[in-house]
Amino acid sequence: GAVVSQHPSWVICKSGTSVKIECRSLDFQATTMFWYRQFPKQSLMLMATSNEGSKATYEQGVEKDKFLINHASLTLSTLTVTSAHPEDSSFYICSATNGQGEKLFFGSGTQLSVL
Amino acid sequence: TQLLEQSPQFLSIQEGENLTVYCNSSSVFSSLQWYRQEPGEGPVLLVTVVTGGEVKKLKRLTFQFGDARKDSSLHITAAQPGDTGLYLCAGMGGQNFVFGPGTRLSVLP
Repeated sequence: GAVVSQHPSWVICKSGTSVKIECRSLDFQATTMFWYRQFPKQSLMLMATSNEGSKATYEQGVEKDKFLINHASLTLSTLTVTSAHPEDSSFYICSATNGQGEKLFFGSGTQLSVL
Repeated sequence: TQLLEQSPQFLSIQEGENLTVYCNSSSVFSSLQWYRQEPGEGPVLLVTVVTGGEVKKLKRLTFQFGDARKDSSLHITAAQPGDTGLYLCAGMGGQNFVFGPGTRLSVLP
C-alpha cells in the first residue's frame, strides 16, 4: 500500500522560532496533500489543501502567513509554522492522495510543543 | 457544506462485548472510509466502501454503507483492548474529504 512519511515526529521549540514539517509520499505521486491539526481527544481539523505546483487553499480561520505550505514536487509538501507561539502547540498530520480517487494516506503525525 | 456526524462520541465497554458506531450525513458521498487512530499516531485506514448497501468484513469488524450512500456503520464483535482508539469516518464528495468528529472507544480488560 501507499506510504506517507512525515518528519519530524516530535519537535520542541522556543517561542518565536519557525518549525518546518515535511510530508513525503514514498511510493506514489501525491497530486494533492492535506494538512490537519488535531487537539487532544478531538477529530482532525483540515487546515489547508495543497496541489503540486500551485498555491495552497486554506480553510477559513487558518492564517496562511502563519502556516506556510509548499508543495514543490509530487512527492513532497512542507508546512512551516512561522514565529511559533505556545498556542500553536498541537499534533499536525498530513495526508496525500494519488489522484485516483477514493483513498487518503496519512503520515504518522508531528507533535509540536512550543515553549 | 457536507457534514458527517458520528455516534456515540465516547464508548467504554468490557472486553468481549459487541458494539456499533454510526456515521451519518444528509449528503451523498461517492465513497466513505473508516480509520482508527491511536494516540500520537496518524489515522490508519481500515476500509473504503463505495457501493450503496455494500458490506465489508475485516476479521471482527463489519462495515456497511447505506443504500443511499449517506450513512455507514462499523460493528465490532467481541471487542478486545487492542480495539481501543479513535474511530473516524470520512466521506468523499466531489473532490473533498470530510471527516466526522470521531468515536473514542475504550475496551476494558
